[in-house]
Formats: sequence, structure tokens, C-alpha cells
Amino acid sequence: KNQVEQSPQSLIILEGKNCTLQCNYTVSPFSNLRWYKQDTGRGPVSLTIMTFSENTKSNGRYTATLDADTKQSSLHITASQLSDSASYICVVGGGATNKLIFGTGTLLAVQP
Amino acid sequence: DAGVIQSPRHEVTEMGQEVTLRCKPISGHNSLFWYRQTMMRGLELLIYFNNNVPIDDSGMPEDRFSAKMPNASFSTLKIQPSEPRDSAVYFCASGYYNEQFFGPGTRLTVL
Repeated sequence: KNQVEQSPQSLIILEGKNCTLQCNYTVSPFSNLRWYKQDTGRGPVSLTIMTFSENTKSNGRYTATLDADTKQSSLHITASQLSDSASYICVVGGGATNKLIFGTGTLLAVQP
Repeated sequence: DAGVIQSPRHEVTEMGQEVTLRCKPISGHNSLFWYRQTMMRGLELLIYFNNNVPIDDSGMPEDRFSAKMPNASFSTLKIQPSEPRDSAVYFCASGYYNEQFFGPGTRLTVL
């Protein structure tokens, strides 16, 4: 079954600290992996998209990594800011019908 | 560009009533997606269109749900009759190549 699992479910960190969010997937065949940021009350916003051949991609203080062999991805946030408080959703494209399969997200709270 | 526009932003209705959600995609984008988000199930794809044609509606929960895209600048998602379990946030996303841009969502509450 095609699934995307994220950990932790929630995370609290202090402003200025780094953190890493994890995503494991069982989607096959694999097409691409995306990380979205969703602020409370708003729609998701794309942070990164990676294909099979890419193993890292950065967007400012956000760096995503992909290990297609182990089917794992991580999102690293450097020097966190209060505005990083949001839900981070891992989405994998692929499967027999090339759909997007969503994880349930990691809720990050950055405290001053 | 104003981005993806959805209306209404909030909708409260009673069980059994018809609900119509509206979406205006970003001009020039050729794909449009309807999603539903709940706390329990997260984001779920309901249906998507490519060049105004429905491509995959396997995520539509049942016959009470229907979606149309009469032209490149407008789409509707209709629920008739609505039920309390339809309460959720419904997102429309506009797609171009491999990227999707989400609208602000419509929060639907069915009493």
C-alpha cells in the first residue's frame, strides 16, 4: 500500500535552534517528493520538489534531503524563526496512477 | 496575479442542503485540483482536471459530490445533499508543470 509517514507528529523548539523533520514512504514507483509548509488557516505552500536523481535541495533556511534507496526524506530548518511555526507536509508523487500521496504532517511550534 | 481565489471562505449550512464551492485558478495554469483536509485524514485529493477535462475523480467520496470546470478560469465543487461528515476545509489548487499552488480554502461546517 502506498503510504507516507511523518515524524514527529509535533515538535516544539526555541527560536534560533535547528530542527529536522522526517518522512518515510512506501510509494512505488516513485516520481517525486515535495515538502509543503502550511500556516494555520491557509493553504499549503511548496518549499521543495525533488525527483529521483536529486538527493538534496535548499530553499533559504530549509534544506530537504532524499534517499531513494531507503525511501526516506528529511527537512532541516536552520536558525528557526517564529514564522516557521506551521505544519510541514511531506507529499510523494508516484504509484500506479502517479498520484500525490500526502503525509499527515508535522506540527512545528517555535517559541521565543 | 492574485493567486488561486476560492469562495466562500467560510460556509455554514444544515444537513441536507446543497453546497457549492467555487475556485478561480491562476491564469495560464492548465491543471486544477480539489482537495479536502480534516484533522483525522489530512489532505485528500478529490478530483483533478487537466485542460478543463476531469482526469481522475477516484477520490470523490460518493455520488453526493460533483465537480465541474466549464472553462479555464472557473471550477465548482458541489455537495448535494450535504452531511455533517462533509465538514472540512476544501482547497483548490492550480497546477503548472510539476508545481501546485493552493488557494486559501473554504471551511465548510455542516450542522
